[in-house]
Amino acid sequence: KNEVEQSPQNLTAQEGEFITINCSYSVGISALHWLQQHPGGGIVSLFMLSSGKKKHGRLIATINIQEKHSSLHITASHPRDSAVYICAAAPQGGKLIFGQGTELSVKP
Amino acid sequence: DTAVSQTPKYLVTQMGNDKSIKCEQNLGHDTMYWYKQDSKKFLKIMFSYNNKELIINETVPNRFSPKSPDKAHLNLHINSLELGDSAVYFCASSPEPWDAEAFFGQGTRLTVV
Repeated sequence: KNEVEQSPQNLTAQEGEFITINCSYSVGISALHWLQQHPGGGIVSLFMLSSGKKKHGRLIATINIQEKHSSLHITASHPRDSAVYICAAAPQGGKLIFGQGTELSVKP
Repeated sequence: DTAVSQTPKYLVTQMGNDKSIKCEQNLGHDTMYWYKQDSKKFLKIMFSYNNKELIINETVPNRFSPKSPDKAHLNLHINSLELGDSAVYFCASSPEPWDAEAFFGQGTRLTVV
């Protein structure tokens, strides 16, 4: 079993829907990252958070350190949000541990 | 102005060849990384350098050798390429190791035939 698990692995949504991607981890961390990988292959860092909640445009990331769980929400989803979303746990002073990714497809 | 740039973006080569992938960052970061993404899209760390010093070398075959001539560059040289080396390789950088936001290059898709 991976130290970082994401769910769902695949997600298809209609444009406008509210989307939630979950990430659970079993290690102690100093931070958790959410990354986005577009079909073209490039990876972009969306959020790095160690507590609470962060918001950027239509994207919201939350983390519950006690429950070792983080969620990425997308409000008013759009086809351009179609991508693979990856969470990565950063143990204190240790290397990033990646989840397997969630492939999101938003249909018009 | 690209923050982390890798070249080439695509590389097709025959088994047994030696090839290099170059990476440069203009962000002034101290730490650079090489990641391998397999066919299942799983990212795994290969190497990490902090201030030109190797800090992580994950059970990677000796055929893979990173070279960091300065803080802004981390190149990956691969000897005697094998079919299993086919993957997408990502370079990344961050201000400090691990618990800092990382910036990724666009990836190099290596195909060994």
